[in-house]
Amino acid sequence: DGGITQSPKYLFRKEGQNVTLSCEQNLNHDAMYWYRQDPGQGLRLIYYSQIVNDFQKGDIAEGYSVSREKKESFPLTVTSAQKNPTAFYLCASSIRRGGNNEQFFGPGTRLTVL
Amino acid sequence: AQRVTQPEKLLSVFKGAPVELKCNYSYSGSPELFWYVQYSRQRLQLLLRHISRESIKGFTADLNKGETSFHLKKPFAQEEDSAMYYCALSGQGAQKLVFGQGTRLTINP
Repeated sequence: DGGITQSPKYLFRKEGQNVTLSCEQNLNHDAMYWYRQDPGQGLRLIYYSQIVNDFQKGDIAEGYSVSREKKESFPLTVTSAQKNPTAFYLCASSIRRGGNNEQFFGPGTRLTVL
Repeated sequence: AQRVTQPEKLLSVFKGAPVELKCNYSYSGSPELFWYVQYSRQRLQLLLRHISRESIKGFTADLNKGETSFHLKKPFAQEEDSAMYYCALSGQGAQKLVFGQGTRLTINP
């Protein structure tokens, strides 16, 4: 089963610790995204990257950081500065060519801060 | 500013009844609109987009620029339609999507 993979599925963190969520895709997509999904709030964009070595802040970037060193990988670090990190995190990717904006999603990582 | 509003958090209908999930948007240009669906224990996936003008699993959605709406409709609901539905908008030339809050649809037998 290819496509987009996220690991781990569940993650527990103590307050004050940084944690990194993994996202990998083998779809040869240029663009990748990180969303946070909270009940009643839909999906909110944290960061996105349209090309390797470049990324932009989304609507709720504070307390998060990303890197895009390889086309296939877009890890998200949740830092201790994020005030309310407990949430479900979704990674997605899309092809840029031809104006096709369909995004393909990973299975998600549920982060719980203890 | 781009905004997507789904006024109903929960929607419950009986099997065989028509269903309509509402979506309104705010965008000054020509948007691209999408409906995404998340079935239980499955990934979020694209259901349909307005530029395709196609019917998927019996669902259709028409972009009404006058009312800035993109409501999702199905004439006869089936139990397997129970899921979380998200309306999303992409601005002209933009890659990122803006999602609505989502509507949880439950089809009762």
